[in-house]
Amino acid sequence: QSVLTQPPSVSAAPGQKVTISCSGSSSNIGNNYVSWYQQLPGTAPKLLVYENNKRPSGIPDRLSGSKSGTSATLDITGLQTGDEADYYCGTWDSSLSAYVFGTGTKVTVL
Amino acid sequence: QVQLVESGGGVVQPGGSLRLSCAASGFRFSAYGFHWVRQAPGKGLEWVAVIWDDGSNKYHADSVKGRFTISRDNSKNTLHLQMNSLRAEDTAVYYCATEGGQLAFLESWGQGTLVTVSS
Repeated sequence: QSVLTQPPSVSAAPGQKVTISCSGSSSNIGNNYVSWYQQLPGTAPKLLVYENNKRPSGIPDRLSGSKSGTSATLDITGLQTGDEADYYCGTWDSSLSAYVFGTGTKVTVL
Repeated sequence: QVQLVESGGGVVQPGGSLRLSCAASGFRFSAYGFHWVRQAPGKGLEWVAVIWDDGSNKYHADSVKGRFTISRDNSKNTLHLQMNSLRAEDTAVYYCATEGGQLAFLESWGQGTLVTVSS
């Protein structure tokens, strides 16, 4: 049972924008950095965003992260077929002394 | 470049043991903390354990506490996960990943190794 809640799925047409939400609490998102991961079918997860809104080298600026209070958001603009994947948020939970992942969101390009 | 290669997965009976390894190359192994993360078939990501760069501190998920132990050998650039008293619900692909800093993110990931617990 994940402590971070994400919508099971989001979808949009190519070129459009999707927003993935991640809801937590003061013991996790509220007081720690949030990161986002992409998992293409059959592959290992890949870091997309770290420390709420920073992108590793090679990640396009079509992807952007933000955090407000106990929630975080990943925006993907200019949606491409290659963006079809599962997306997970993650953060440290200070009460659990554990890293926690969100429930995961499947992005579908219509 | 950073390379993480997991090994040691396989089929094991309930109650059995298995030791996973993660061989690292392309970076200074002793400067990084490491995580183990698992993913049951068709399910989401579940964090398993983390170990500090010098091995001085470790945390394990409640679901594996007392059964699994994370460890590292900085002289061999290798991370381990000792798994005892395995259960069917431990069946998953197990990934190792580098700790990005301040327990904030998992930076680089291996390709994973499959553990199947079945009689």
